[in-house]
Amino acid sequence: DGGITQSPKYLFRKEGQNVTLSCEQNLNHDAMYWYRQDPGQGLRLIYYSQIVNDFQKGDIAEGYSVSREKKESFPLTVTSAQKNPTAFYLCASSPARTGNTEAFFGQGTRLTVV
Amino acid sequence: GNSVTQMEGPVTLSEEAFLTINCTYTATGYPSLFWYVQYPGEGLQLLLKATKADDKGSNKGFEATYRKETTSFHLEKGSVQVSDSAVYFCALEPYGGATNKLIFGTGTLLAVQP
Repeated sequence: DGGITQSPKYLFRKEGQNVTLSCEQNLNHDAMYWYRQDPGQGLRLIYYSQIVNDFQKGDIAEGYSVSREKKESFPLTVTSAQKNPTAFYLCASSPARTGNTEAFFGQGTRLTVV
Repeated sequence: GNSVTQMEGPVTLSEEAFLTINCTYTATGYPSLFWYVQYPGEGLQLLLKATKADDKGSNKGFEATYRKETTSFHLEKGSVQVSDSAVYFCALEPYGGATNKLIFGTGTLLAVQP
């Protein structure tokens, strides 16, 4: 059953800690994305990757880091430099070439700073 | 730059009422347009899409027509059900982009009452 899986579903972070959100896909998609969702602000792009070992900053990359060592995996680290990390994080994937193809989303991870 | 504006919610309707959620966009060329739906606590799912002017996307009784002259992609459904309660996002993929980066509106919460 193909799909995109995010874990954990809920995550709690203490002040000053780094945390890593997992995103795995078995759709054989080249491109993967991380979005942040806040109430009333829609989705904002954090980072995206079109191919293994390459990634680009999105609109709100500060305080975040990513890696793309495998095609299937695109983990997001929320660092202590991110001052307001409490949000719902969504990972997505799609075929690399533009051409009006569908993006598939994971179920999301809700991160809360305690 | 590229942007999407959609009507603010919440939109509250009774079952079997007619639904319209307005969406307008700003973009150069001919972007592709999408409606995604997010059920409570979940990720986004593609609802419908249109890739060129005058195209009509449709799915599960929902429809939207790509209107280049008014730069709009309004979502409609003739008779809503309680199960349609969700947040609806209008999105565009810029024309000729190197990736499938999506630009989202802020989302509109639909609440359907029995």
